Amino acid sequence: DQQVKQNSPSLSVQEGRISILNCDYTNSMFDYFLWYKKYPAEGPTFLISISSIKDKNEDGRFTVFLNKSAKHLSLHIVPSQPGDSAVYFCAASEFSRTEYGNKLVFGAGTILRVKS
Amino acid sequence: EAQVTQNPRYLITVTGKKLTVTCSQNMNHEYMSWYRQDPGLGLRQIYYSMNVEVTDKGDVPEGYKVSRKEKRNFPLILESPSPNQTSLYFCASRPGTWGDQPQHFGDGTRLSIL
Repeated sequence: DQQVKQNSPSLSVQEGRISILNCDYTNSMFDYFLWYKKYPAEGPTFLISISSIKDKNEDGRFTVFLNKSAKHLSLHIVPSQPGDSAVYFCAASEFSRTEYGNKLVFGAGTILRVKS
Repeated sequence: EAQVTQNPRYLITVTGKKLTVTCSQNMNHEYMSWYRQDPGLGLRQIYYSMNVEVTDKGDVPEGYKVSRKEKRNFPLILESPSPNQTSLYFCASRPGTWGDQPQHFGDGTRLSIL
């Protein structure tokens, strides 16, 4: 059973508007969350992260929100730009469990298309 | 330039013919790992290594082998490839074992096993 779920396979947004990508997780031991962005024919690149001691983290146009009680996180992109069109992966880890190398568990990804 | 380099980028081969996908990083990272990406499943970890000569299984290790004889290299070996190993593979590295350090990924290797 997938511990990290991205239930929307794709999302289409107009340039300049907000993009909201969602992610749900089932393992309550996860305490560190990351978003990766992937362009075709390239590897994923790190975008933004959040620790479970926070409920929000911002980096420029990108903001990640964490709702621990709902086991839900979201990535907001404001304003969206055509260059943001990519696959976005949500990932989670148990930060404190170093004996397992802090394995990252990924969601299936959401394809974001930003239309100009 | 800091990077993770995988070779080959694309490979079509036949069942049972041993193959190796190489991975090299130039950032002196301790931690390296291999993932496979399949539609609807995201990235799943195959094997990881926390340092030289230290490797362990991830979530989907069956049919794969790895070695870590040098810090910079972490090859993925398919001794007897089968069609269900057709996938997109990524190698990744990060400085240490702590999970708050983002991983750097290679550009991927697309394997087709006929």
